[in-house]
Amino acid sequence: AQSVAQPEDQVNVAEGNPLTVKCTYSVSGNPYLFWYVQYPNRGLQFLLKYITGDNLVKGSYGFEAEFNKSQTSFHLKKPSALVSDSALYFCAVRDGGARAAGNKLTFGGGTRVLVKP
Amino acid sequence: DARVTQTPRHKVTEMGQEVTMRCQPILGHNTVFWYRQTMMQGLELLAYFRNRAPLDDSGMPKDRFSAEMPDATLATLKIQPSEPRDSAVYFCASAGYSNQPQHFGDGTRLSIL
Repeated sequence: AQSVAQPEDQVNVAEGNPLTVKCTYSVSGNPYLFWYVQYPNRGLQFLLKYITGDNLVKGSYGFEAEFNKSQTSFHLKKPSALVSDSALYFCAVRDGGARAAGNKLTFGGGTRVLVKP
Repeated sequence: DARVTQTPRHKVTEMGQEVTMRCQPILGHNTVFWYRQTMMQGLELLAYFRNRAPLDDSGMPKDRFSAEMPDATLATLKIQPSEPRDSAVYFCASAGYSNQPQHFGDGTRLSIL
């Protein structure tokens, strides 16, 4: 079984300050990890993914995430947050060895980010 | 940019009525997912298809929900009869190869009165 935990329901940050959204995961095999963002009245939008290779992954809108195998974490970061980054963020995982599961992802509960001017 | 298209975007109907939601996946994507999002339960996977064949529908209430892919360009999710507890936003997503991200539509906001 695979699972994802996003320990914070909400993260508040001032514009221009660094933003971190936490995610930890559990899978039996190699993890494929994803971050998505959801704006009001919209579907989830893909931000970035980790499959293999460099532990630091860069994605859209200046976001990046660091894969830490020993801590089973994949935290999302942005050096300088914008008011427009206020949204709902989802971390997701799948077992890279589970071919029968196809692209099925397990999503975390989401973290609401509020960036204040 | 290619995108997943869902119709209708909003649906309000009375309890007991049949509801059909449609999804056009991105051309070339062979896997289609149906999700439901509510404040209480978050994002739930209802069912998904690969090459039009159902792979897993264990998240779907079988007595009233049904999902099909009549062809590669259309996926449908039906509720019959609908109940107030079905009120939610329903998302369709599609994906290609196994390590590719899922692409989501903008959802159908369903309200059952």
